[in-house]
Amino acid sequence: GAVVSQHPSRVICKSGTSVKIECRSLDFQATTMFWYRQFPKQSLMLMATSNEGSKATYEQGVEKDKFLINHASLTLSTLTVTSAHPEDSSFYICSASPRGTLDTQYFGPGTRLTVL
Amino acid sequence: EDQVTQSPEALRLQEGESSSLNCSYTVSGLRGLFWYRQDPGKGPEFLFTLYSAGEEKEKERLKATLTKKESFLHITAPKPEDSATYLCAVGEGSNYKLTFGKGTLLTVNP
Repeated sequence: GAVVSQHPSRVICKSGTSVKIECRSLDFQATTMFWYRQFPKQSLMLMATSNEGSKATYEQGVEKDKFLINHASLTLSTLTVTSAHPEDSSFYICSASPRGTLDTQYFGPGTRLTVL
Repeated sequence: EDQVTQSPEALRLQEGESSSLNCSYTVSGLRGLFWYRQDPGKGPEFLFTLYSAGEEKEKERLKATLTKKESFLHITAPKPEDSATYLCAVGEGSNYKLTFGKGTLLTVNP
């Protein structure tokens, strides 16, 4: 149980284009999902918290107009990186907490984004 | 000052050589301390949640313990497949966010 999937697993795009990453909780409903970014040999940095049916909460220093988050259902959240630049290249990981709890977060397998 | 500090940064063990990883934290009002395992190019895999000092949890060769200031992840008779980065994270008060340490890269040689 508590399986989270992400799609795509890796994506390469040209500078200036937009990329959408999907995060799904497969066997539970998630009121809250989280988006993290991880640079090589660094730990996970929280970018934003996504709540079903409401606006995402962004961490300090994260541009909300650049990283668009939509949490349209209890099993799906999407992160769109708009007008991507090479410095946006990173490993993006989502996590989800089962509905009714904000306790343990279960993580997806991650998406490797490379912007050329 | 980091709220979560993990040590050592890297640890090399021989197969069967038991050891411990440390996670010290400085948050007030600990909501929970979480251990994850992360393989290269993958997302973190949940291992344990500890809530209060004195609590212990075990899973196969791993045992996690918690005090008021730190947590230990004990690895007994490790195998090469235990090689991974082990991440510690804390949740504070009613804050749902997790603060992660930088991890310990464990390598177990056959």
